[in-house]
Amino acid sequence: DGGITQSPKYLFRKEGQNVTLSCEQNLNHDAMYWYRQDPGQGLRLIYYSQIVNDFQKGDIAEGYSVSREKKESFPLTVTSAQKNPTAFYLCASSIGAQGQAGYTFGSGTRLTVV
Amino acid sequence: AQSVTQLDSQVPVFEEAPVELRCNYSSSVSVYLFWYVQYPNQGLQLLLKYLSGSTLVESINGFEAEFNKSQTSFHLRKPSVHISDTAEYFCAVSRNTGFQKLVFGTGTRLLVSP
Repeated sequence: DGGITQSPKYLFRKEGQNVTLSCEQNLNHDAMYWYRQDPGQGLRLIYYSQIVNDFQKGDIAEGYSVSREKKESFPLTVTSAQKNPTAFYLCASSIGAQGQAGYTFGSGTRLTVV
Repeated sequence: AQSVTQLDSQVPVFEEAPVELRCNYSSSVSVYLFWYVQYPNQGLQLLLKYLSGSTLVESINGFEAEFNKSQTSFHLRKPSVHISDTAEYFCAVSRNTGFQKLVFGTGTRLLVSP
């Protein structure tokens, strides 16, 4: 079955460390997205990519980096510059610029700083 | 730019009672509207969407939403809720031309009790 796989489900990071969250999709979708979810704040867009080798900053990109070397993969790195990284991270994809079908979401990664 | 307001952060209701979750949006251009549902520690699932045509849209599990352009609203309703409807519900909006990023509201937690 087609879908989005996020790994790991739970991730613990020490202060000062960079960590990378994986997102893989087999839906042949062109566009991919990373959202951060905090209680009471909904979903906030971190980065998005419309096509391979291209990505744009979202609303809260500081302290994060991404790459899009393959259509299927859109990993997110949470760097040590992100001062409050503890959150639930969601990856999503959509069929190119045509958003009529909505987004397909992965099951998320919960990152905790210890 | 588009924005979404979900005024109710939490809605408690008894099983088999009706419920309405409110969503208002702001946009200077025509939009698509979506409702997503999120169960604990999971990703978001598309519940229903309005793209064009009939202003009343329905989901397979008994939810419905009505697009009201004059009031810029897209409220979600169900005539009789079940315990299993307990979840967080997110309203989202995107413009209907160009690259359509989704903008989410802050979510409404529906708590159904027996």
